[in-house]
Amino acid sequence: AQSVTQLGSHVSVSEGALVLLRCNYSSSVPPYLFWYVQYPNQGLQLLLKYTSAATLVKGINGFEAEFKKSETSFHLTKPSAHMSDAAEYFCAVSGKKSGYSTLTFGKGTMLLVSP
Amino acid sequence: DADVTQTPRNRITKTGKRIMLECSQTKGHDRMYWYRQDPGLGLRLIYYSFDVKDINKGEISDGYSVSRQAQAKFSLSLESAIPNQTALYFCATSDATSGRVLYNEQFFGPGTRLTVL
Repeated sequence: AQSVTQLGSHVSVSEGALVLLRCNYSSSVPPYLFWYVQYPNQGLQLLLKYTSAATLVKGINGFEAEFKKSETSFHLTKPSAHMSDAAEYFCAVSGKKSGYSTLTFGKGTMLLVSP
Repeated sequence: DADVTQTPRNRITKTGKRIMLECSQTKGHDRMYWYRQDPGLGLRLIYYSFDVKDINKGEISDGYSVSRQAQAKFSLSLESAIPNQTALYFCATSDATSGRVLYNEQFFGPGTRLTVL
């Protein structure tokens, strides 16, 4: 079975500082990994995805993530935080059950950005 | 814009009542999903459907049922609501017809906030 662990339920940064949100996964097969963002009172929106083509994945809004198999990690980073980045972020892994067509989500990390 | 819509957006009901949450999509996707979100627990899969005749239980299906009335519509029912079903419920869709099923990008509706008193 696959699982995702997000370290830190809340992360606080200052505007302009580096954003680092941590995600570790467990999977018995090569994984497909995703980061989603949820803004207040909205549904989830895909930020980026790892599909084995390249280990460094670039997404929307300046975010990127690096797949590290040896560390079973897929951490999300952004060089300079903006106030509009304040949201909840979810890491997810695609499950082998039913042909990789289900997602298992982490518990989420709330990113707080202060001026 | 092709979209995923959910009705109602907010609902307050009482213990023991039957309630239905509806999801419609104009994306033309074949796969649809229902999740619930609880603070600190992330999203958990309740049911999913790959087409009208294919319904599958997810991680937490007890106390819920679903109906896939058409490719574009997927409803979630609580036959007898209880307070611990108070949560935010999301519908999502994905597209397997393009051959990109392994990437499984899911598109989410805006959610239904359900409160069971």
